[in-house]
Formats: sequence, structure tokens, C-alpha cells
Amino acid sequence: GAVVSQHPSRVICKSGTSVKIECRSLDFQATTMFWYRQFPKQSLMLMATSNEGSKATYEQGVEKDKFLINHASLTLSTLTVTSAHPEDSSFYICSANRDSRTYEQYFGPGTRLTVT
Amino acid sequence: QQQVKQSPQSLIVQKGGISIINCAYENTAFDYFPWYQQFPGKGPALLIAIRPDVSEKKEGRFTISFNKSAKQFSLHIMDSQPGDSATYFCAASMRSNDYKLSFGAGTTVTVRA
Repeated sequence: GAVVSQHPSRVICKSGTSVKIECRSLDFQATTMFWYRQFPKQSLMLMATSNEGSKATYEQGVEKDKFLINHASLTLSTLTVTSAHPEDSSFYICSANRDSRTYEQYFGPGTRLTVT
Repeated sequence: QQQVKQSPQSLIVQKGGISIINCAYENTAFDYFPWYQQFPGKGPALLIAIRPDVSEKKEGRFTISFNKSAKQFSLHIMDSQPGDSATYFCAASMRSNDYKLSFGAGTTVTVRA
């Protein structure tokens, strides 16, 4: 199967600090990775699309200076929430395409971020 | 603006019954329609998907029905089991938009034993 992992699974940070979330494709190379945010009892909202070696493409309304995305290799993408505030508390989920010709996206287990 | 509309918001079904979730879309450029299952605190898992050149796809107890002219598709869960209790999301994507998924609002299914 296609396995995507995320680390950490849960993180609590103080307001004003930054936190980094890692997304890894464990058994395949992912040319494209996606980052989503999900608030309680709501749907997934796409934040950005990242392609290996290039700048991420952010969806309308997502602050690119606040949510820094780096796709340094074909198996790793990171999301850094800078100067986090309580309203950034959410469930962050990444997904990856197995290759550039397929539609199937495989999702990670998610990271619960709580900002106090 | 949600590109994929999903209903109902929630449903309760008895064990052994059929759960039916409906989705509708507007953009005819969508060419891939997956369904995801999500348990609380977990990431979504791909359940089943269909392309618009097929009207129905069945995998085990899960069936997608697709009506291209009506721009609607639905998920049927046959012989529903308590372990099927989860939130289900329909979605749509297109190759020309980097395969980005547009998700429906989700349906919480509760299967009573």
C-alpha cells in the first residue's frame, strides 16, 4: 500500500511560538503533496499544494508567510506554523500523490495542534 | 463556495441496513470522484472512487452510482455494520487542476446494533 506518516501526532505550543509538522511518504516517492486543515466537525480545507523542489502554491485566503511549506525531497514535506495563535488550533492533515499521473491521494494520520 | 454539495449531514441506520449518501457537483471538468472514510482523530482513508465514464462501481459492500447528466453521484453502504460508523466525505478533482480535491461537507453515519 501507500503509506503516509505525520509527525508529531499531537503538539501543544504557546501563543507566539512556531511549530513544524512533518509529512513523509514511507513507501513511495511523492511528486506532489497537499496540506489540509480541518476544524471540528467540518470538512477538509485545502491550504496549499507543494511540489518537490519548487515553491508551494497556496489557496486563496491562506497566509503563505504564516504557513511555511517546504518540500525538500520526494518523500518529505514540512508545514511550519509561524507565530501561532489560538485560532490556528486545528487538525492538520497532509496527503500525497503516488505519481504525477494518478488521481489517488493518500492521507496521513493528521496532527492535532493546540495553541495555548 | 463549496464545489461539491453533500447530503445528508448525518444519518442513523440499523445494523444490516443500507446507508445512502448523495453528492452533487457543478464543474463538468471534474473527472475523478472518490469517497473517503474518516474516523475521529484520524486522517481520511480512500474508500472507493469512480471516473465519469462509468455509471457504477462496486467494491465489497460499497457501491458508487454516478449520473453524469445530472452531475450527481452517491455512495451506498450495504449491510451496514457498527464498524462503518464514521464520517464519509465525497470529493472531486481534475487533472487540469493538479488533482486538487474539492471535498463535500461530510456525512456522519451511525450504525446502531
